[in-house]
Amino acid sequence: QSALTQPRSMSGSPGQSVTISCTGTSSDIGSYKYVSWHQQHPGKAPKLIIYDVSKRPSGVPDRFSGSKSGNTASLTISGLQAEDEADYYCCSYAGRYTAVFGGGTKLTVL
Amino acid sequence: EVQMVESGGGLVKPGGSLRLSCATSGFSFSSYSMSWVRQDPEKGLEWVSSISSSDSYIYYRDSVKGRFTISRDNAKNSLYLQMDSLRAEDTAVYYCARDFRNGYYVFDYWGQGTLVTVSS
Repeated sequence: QSALTQPRSMSGSPGQSVTISCTGTSSDIGSYKYVSWHQQHPGKAPKLIIYDVSKRPSGVPDRFSGSKSGNTASLTISGLQAEDEADYYCCSYAGRYTAVFGGGTKLTVL
Repeated sequence: EVQMVESGGGLVKPGGSLRLSCATSGFSFSSYSMSWVRQDPEKGLEWVSSISSSDSYIYYRDSVKGRFTISRDNAKNSLYLQMDSLRAEDTAVYYCARDFRNGYYVFDYWGQGTLVTVSS
């Protein structure tokens, strides 16, 4: 049950694009389509923004997109906005009825 | 509107017990698997335990097996976590989360969390 690996911090200017990586193993990300991304603002609960690798829940802007290649999933935020400044966590089904999260990426909008 | 409200957190000494509750509304609670997920500043988010819609299947992360017990009451639309033999490393904010993929841990709704602090 080792955590997925994410960069601890990233930054970008308004209007730019950023891509956050999430690296796992062949036992989690590499084996399943159940990769999700959650956004968390300070003091708030996490919010689902991407599920099943690349699907967006209703109400999530299409600036947010997800993808996967091998054991690595990625979240891309296009056209960065000030309100995108938050912590982002990836999550994957890890088999044997367990889940594993990434350590989180703090995104700063400059 | 989906709402999930946790309660029961607090300060407890090592070796002590707490029972967390999660009251839900706005959806068919009995149709979904539910999980507890915790968060501390050092380790980020961590899945703790899950229970299937009819409580037939229950799972725990290794570090809490034998100490934590998850349960649910579908008549009361509520989820519970009994935590015994608490350790300092259990200190975290505990969230209840709805798993809309029913067993594949895709959490579409989260409660606001309840803080558990284990300290002497």
